[in-house]
Amino acid sequence: DAKTTQPNSMESNEEEPVHLPCNHSTISGTDYIHWYRQLPSQGPEYVIHGLTSNVNNRMASLAIAEDRKSSTLILHRATLRDAAVYYCILRDWGSGYALNFGKGTSLLVTP
Amino acid sequence: EAQVTQNPRYLITVTGKKLTVTCSQNMNHEYMSWYRQDPGLGLRQIYYSMNVEATDKGDVPEGYKVSRKEKRNFPLILESPSPNQTSLYFCASSSPGQGMQETQYFGPGTRLLVL
Repeated sequence: DAKTTQPNSMESNEEEPVHLPCNHSTISGTDYIHWYRQLPSQGPEYVIHGLTSNVNNRMASLAIAEDRKSSTLILHRATLRDAAVYYCILRDWGSGYALNFGKGTSLLVTP
Repeated sequence: EAQVTQNPRYLITVTGKKLTVTCSQNMNHEYMSWYRQDPGLGLRQIYYSMNVEATDKGDVPEGYKVSRKEKRNFPLILESPSPNQTSLYFCASSSPGQGMQETQYFGPGTRLLVL
């Protein structure tokens, strides 16, 4: 399976944008890039996913590099509720429907 | 409200005493799975089910059993729990119709302590 690399932790001020990076240099052409997050004491929740083009939804934006070797999850205005561990996950048919969460990035949001 | 529910949310038990953690979803999802989460090891899949009467092992199935007799329910059974099964357990479900674009819904978790 293609692997992802994320920083262990990041910090942001409330109401400022946050850019969470993910490197996936061995990504294959059919791998989808998914992001999930896990708030404290909760189960993981889906955030966004994409293949080649940038994507936006109500929670976040996903910017995918042209060579697809990296991507960035963008929270446009961080709130205290966005403090969570963010996981960048590659999805391919080889791994079936199991999600390989890795260690993720722990985001701290300060007032 | 679309949701995945787990019961119990917290459980303390003793070694060898059989227990069942229930999982139920109200979204008519075909796919359901169980994960355990441990410090330093992250989330690892235990078992999964593609549909009723179709279950298969994940990455760490030893010591666990599952069944899928109804589409909405996917219980996790520990026939003889041991302390190394102390963990935080999550159930998830999804509808695989969109292939690798499918998104999964997770339950709130069950924290298990085996003494």
